[in-house]
Amino acid sequence: DAGVTQSPTHLIKTRGQQVTLRCSPKSGHDTVSWYQQALGQGPQFIFQYYEEEERQRGNFPDRFSGHQFPNYSSELNVNALLLGDSALYLCASSLRIQRGPRETQYFGPGTRLLVL
Amino acid sequence: GQQLNQSPQSMFIQEGEDVSMNCTSSSIFNTWLWYKQDPGEGPVLLIALYKAGELTSNGRLTAQFGITRKDSFLNISASIPSDVGIYFCAGQGVGTYKYIFGTGTRLKVLA
Repeated sequence: DAGVTQSPTHLIKTRGQQVTLRCSPKSGHDTVSWYQQALGQGPQFIFQYYEEEERQRGNFPDRFSGHQFPNYSSELNVNALLLGDSALYLCASSLRIQRGPRETQYFGPGTRLLVL
Repeated sequence: GQQLNQSPQSMFIQEGEDVSMNCTSSSIFNTWLWYKQDPGEGPVLLIALYKAGELTSNGRLTAQFGITRKDSFLNISASIPSDVGIYFCAGQGVGTYKYIFGTGTRLKVLA
């Protein structure tokens, strides 16, 4: 049973550049959430995708955008990178439960982004 | 960003000791999840709680969903060196899909 996979594992970019991170959900899952984790902090919710649409968004600027594909995989795009965007970016997948939220999320290993 | 209050922030314990940590929120949650994260890796799910008062075990780990729905507790019995890591709680509020994470408890076990 394949777990959540993310690529690349590490990335170095310079300020102003754009980056795309990729995620494949756990087998059987249809929902993908993205989180940003700064050093020494807990993960912060960026957004969640279900049925190829953004279902909910956290307090992140429009520079952060995403996409979900028909096979449920997802991408996170960040434009105009700032130094403060340096963090571990985590993808979590879940299976939507028909009667409301309560989705149990499983995380991938993350992508470490360094912005110079 | 928004984070839940988690305590203690860090703790050193002797191997074989029991460990307790908790997480509190100012708002009501429908779901509590507990994760363990090792350096440079993604969080690994330990226990999921879906109902107020629920008590769930996973090996030496036991977690409880507080009856007020504003807190949760995690206990580790007979700690071993591989329990070292950062433990995070995560709560999902009513009518929302996002999880809010705690500030983390850093556990160090002395052999």
